Amino acid sequence: AQSVTQPDIHITVSEGASLELRCNYSYGATPYLFWYVQSPGQGLQLLLKYFSGDTLVQGIKGFEAEFKRSQSSFNLRKPSVHWSDAAEYFCAVGAGGTGFQKLVFGTGTRLLVSP
Amino acid sequence: NAGVTQTPKFRVLKTGQSMTLLCAQDMNHEYMYWYRQDPGMGLRLIHYSVGEGTTAKGEVPDGYNVSRLKKQNFLLGLESAAPSQTSVYFCASRTGTRYTQYFGPGTRLTVL
Repeated sequence: AQSVTQPDIHITVSEGASLELRCNYSYGATPYLFWYVQSPGQGLQLLLKYFSGDTLVQGIKGFEAEFKRSQSSFNLRKPSVHWSDAAEYFCAVGAGGTGFQKLVFGTGTRLLVSP
Repeated sequence: NAGVTQTPKFRVLKTGQSMTLLCAQDMNHEYMYWYRQDPGMGLRLIHYSVGEGTTAKGEVPDGYNVSRLKKQNFLLGLESAAPSQTSVYFCASRTGTRYTQYFGPGTRLTVL
């Protein structure tokens, strides 16, 4: 069965510093991978997605993620964090093959930004 | 477009009471989903629908029922609420060919 692991429950980063959030997935075929962000009291917003092609994908708000098949990873990065990036971040994998119907989410990583 | 909307935003129930959460989308999406979000557990899929009149069980369906009588609406029912159903509930939708799910703002439910 598909699964997603986000090993870091909380991460604190200084404003202006770089960020990397880790995501590892378990899936037998080519995965469809997503990163969503949830601001406090809000719903989830898509940051970026990977379906195929270039393994480095760009998203909104200056985020990027790199798909590494050999490591079963899809880590999210940002070169310089802003205070407004404080939120919870969820990695997800599309489950059920091509034309999949469901997403499987990780447990999330809460990002705290210090001044 | 309003996107995905959820009604109500907040609700407090007593154990044993029933209620229905409404999800509506105006994007003509075929697929709709109900998730619950609990601290430290991410989002877990309750039920989903791949089209009008069809529903399927997700990861945690027990204690919930759903109906999709109209394409734009997806209802989540709790027949006899339990404290374990205290959670934040999210609805999402997507098209049949594009895989990005669009989420509603959530409903915070407390069962006493």
